[in-house]
Amino acid sequence: SQKIEQNSEALNIQEGKTATLTCNYTNYSPAYLQWYRQDPGRGPVFLLLIRENEKEKRKERLKVTFDTTLKQSLFHITASQPADSATYLCASGDSGYALNFGKGTSLLVTP
Amino acid sequence: GAVVSQHPSRVICKSGTSVKIECRSLDFQATTMFWYRQFPKQSLMLMATSNEGSKATYEQGVEKDKFLINHASLTLSTLTVTSAHPEDSSFYICSAPGQGAYEQYFGPGTRLTVT
Repeated sequence: SQKIEQNSEALNIQEGKTATLTCNYTNYSPAYLQWYRQDPGRGPVFLLLIRENEKEKRKERLKVTFDTTLKQSLFHITASQPADSATYLCASGDSGYALNFGKGTSLLVTP
Repeated sequence: GAVVSQHPSRVICKSGTSVKIECRSLDFQATTMFWYRQFPKQSLMLMATSNEGSKATYEQGVEKDKFLINHASLTLSTLTVTSAHPEDSSFYICSAPGQGAYEQYFGPGTRLTVT
């Protein structure tokens, strides 16, 4: 079955460092991957989308890569801040269809 | 940006009763909405796809007679948990596709507790 895996359940880093989160997919080849942020008790918020033919995408302090050989997407937050602490979800899905989510990685940025 | 609201944000009900959760797209129309369920420290799991003017499509293992979905207008979908039991206690979240049809906009979620 199609799987999206975020193997790291939690990541703790110091403020100012770069956080790198990993998303792996198996048994299929998604045309694109998306990253969402979810705060406790809230719904996910869309951050970035990257297509399979795009190696890298940036938005402010965020950067996403898509490696179809490794079947992996990396999500980077540079110059991390305590306000970046949240759970980050990787997801895939066809246009107009529901998303298939990974379990998420809980990021904690400490001062 | 597109905004999706949910009501109520929290609800506590007794076992055996029914609970209705509303999902509204506030500034755009949504012919399709999705209902997810999320247990603690787990991923969002799709329950059903709500289609305006037609029957919802349920995922395998989700009882359509227990989780009634009505998408009566282009801005409102409702999920009714009938004869709720403690194991139905969860975080229910709806979403609607954005203009680009790839990204989705999520409601703030509804925390259901069945006692």
